[in-house]
Amino acid sequence: TQLLEQSPQFLSIQEGENLTVYCNSSSVFSSLQWYRQEPGEGPVLLVTVVTGGEVKKLKRLTFQFGDARKDSSLHITAAQPGDTGLYLCAGALYGNKLVFGAGTILRVKS
Amino acid sequence: DVKVTQSSRYLVKRTGEKVFLECVQDMDHENMFWYRQDPGLGLRLIYFSYDVKMKEKGDIPEGYSVSREKKERFSLILESASTNQTSMYLCASSLLVGTDTQYFGPGTRLTVL
Repeated sequence: TQLLEQSPQFLSIQEGENLTVYCNSSSVFSSLQWYRQEPGEGPVLLVTVVTGGEVKKLKRLTFQFGDARKDSSLHITAAQPGDTGLYLCAGALYGNKLVFGAGTILRVKS
Repeated sequence: DVKVTQSSRYLVKRTGEKVFLECVQDMDHENMFWYRQDPGLGLRLIYFSYDVKMKEKGDIPEGYSVSREKKERFSLILESASTNQTSMYLCASSLLVGTDTQYFGPGTRLTVL
């Protein structure tokens, strides 16, 4: 079983639609990161959230860290084909390692 | 910009062969990581290194070893490749351990026949 559960696993939507990706755990994380990975490339960091309840915005992307620091969400407004990719959440356990979720494959059709 | 390069994008090897995957970073980062990425399982940590000649086992070290003789280079070794090691292998580096940003290479897709 994954320490970090991401949902949905796959999302196919039309350009202009909104969507939310969820990342849930029973563990508490010191921080949580979101990465985006395009085909043939390694993941690239989008954002790090550190404080419980924190909300960060990156253009049309909104990231939220749960109050208890066990979950996070990524909301995309008016999705574009360029948003297509694999979205990964990664939690930092107190200590050292990052633990990754299985990822959400997003496909935005024009 | 941080650059992490991996020696091969695609590799095909036979069962029982010894396989070397090389990773080089150009930002003087202390920490380097090897992950494997499989559909539905995400990234799983194989080994990491926080200093030259230092290494720590990750979550799935069995069947793998690593070498870090120079700060910028971290090698993953499959002593005797098996078909269940067919996967995408990603190398990453970071300045600090834990919450710091990890910078990834483009990955090596290894197929073991």
